Amino acid sequence: KQEVTQIPAALSVPEGENLVLNCSFTDSAIYNLQWFRQDPGKGLTSLLLIQSSQREQTSGRLNASLDKSSGRSTLYIAASQPGDSATYLCAVTSGNEKLTFGTGTRLTIIP
Amino acid sequence: GAGVSQTPSNKVTEKGKYVELRCDPISGHTALYWYRQSLGQGPEFLIYFQGTGAADDSGLPNDRFFAVRPEGSVSTLKIQRTERGDSAVYLCASSLRGGGRRGNTEAFFGQGTRLTVV
Repeated sequence: KQEVTQIPAALSVPEGENLVLNCSFTDSAIYNLQWFRQDPGKGLTSLLLIQSSQREQTSGRLNASLDKSSGRSTLYIAASQPGDSATYLCAVTSGNEKLTFGTGTRLTIIP
Repeated sequence: GAGVSQTPSNKVTEKGKYVELRCDPISGHTALYWYRQSLGQGPEFLIYFQGTGAADDSGLPNDRFFAVRPEGSVSTLKIQRTERGDSAVYLCASSLRGGGRRGNTEAFFGQGTRLTVV
């Protein structure tokens, strides 16, 4: 059974700093990995999708990497802003074609 | 529509009542997923449709939960004899073809329906 872990559960950093969020998964036989953002009381917004054959994806200040063999992904946020404050979730799609989510990292950017 | 639409956004019901939650996916998306999210947790899988058929319903917690997608577009999640433990945010997502062998496509989520059973 696929299990996804995100550490830390919460993170606070001063505005302007670069930061890294971590995601690990137990079964490396994945098809893709997706990072989402969730604001309080809201749904999930897709940030980046990394195919199993890819090593990284970039969108603006966000860069996500994937090391499938070691079961790890990181989300790098450059020059953090207060608007980046949210919960960040990673999810993997495995052979059963459903997304398995981690419990998320709650990020707070301090102005 | 432009995105995945879920209605209602909030639903308060009494224990024992029946509820229906609706999901309108992105036009043309064949894959549709239902998830449930409790406070402080990640979304948990309930059921996955490919077209009109339920390809995987292994996440439905018991037989009080049922979902349909009769025309391969809109889906309805139905909960009978609601219990207080059913209170959660119910999320719906769609993707062009679904993940896995059919194609590595991105999943898009709706805003969710917050269900409160009192």
